[in-house]
Amino acid sequence: QSALTQSPTASGSPGQSVTLSCTGTSSDVGAYNYVSWYQQHPGKAPKLIIYEVNKRPSGVPDRFSGSKSGTTASLTVSGLQAEDEADYYCSSYAGSNNFVFGTGTKVTVL
Amino acid sequence: QVHLVQSGAEVKKPGSSVRVSCRTSGGAFGTYPISWVRQAPGQGLEWMAWIIPTLGIPTYAQKFQGRITVSADKSTSTTYMELNSLTSDDTAVFYCAGMVNRDFEFWGQGTPVTVSS
Repeated sequence: QSALTQSPTASGSPGQSVTLSCTGTSSDVGAYNYVSWYQQHPGKAPKLIIYEVNKRPSGVPDRFSGSKSGTTASLTVSGLQAEDEADYYCSSYAGSNNFVFGTGTKVTVL
Repeated sequence: QVHLVQSGAEVKKPGSSVRVSCRTSGGAFGTYPISWVRQAPGQGLEWMAWIIPTLGIPTYAQKFQGRITVSADKSTSTTYMELNSLTSDDTAVFYCAGMVNRDFEFWGQGTPVTVSS
């Protein structure tokens, strides 16, 4: 199972929006609506911010939104804030009780 | 609120094994699967395995088949991950994560494992 492909870096100024992509295959992202996104600050455990493509857990700001088209999922962070600077990982169910993560995107707030 | 508490840091020799534990508190153990995820230094997340504690049947990522064992002890609400034949490439932080609807919702604090001669 190959890792999902994410751009290594992304950046934006405070208040701007940034969209991260996560490309998989017809066996994972394209096959299931079980794409989730995680935010990870240095030295910390990842935190779930989007599940089932576009749902937000309780407590996650609505600045975070998710979508999917075909084999590519996207995470948009609107109104960038300094605390949004972190690594972001996507994940997808890949069938037969298997899962795969993305390669990760480092978001910098300029 | 579910909390996952992992065992402490480990230093291991190449060729040896490591066993990491993950104790669940604040929730009904066994009602959701527990996955194991590792993160090598400066690298991304890598899914390794999951287990549904009430069933005790694990699923392993193909990459780790034959080298990993995941188990659950319902009496102590604890899940274990054992990785054998360690090499320096296994140096990483290992996380357990409670899963809901096929997402990794609750995370342990992570267990650093260093493999060095």
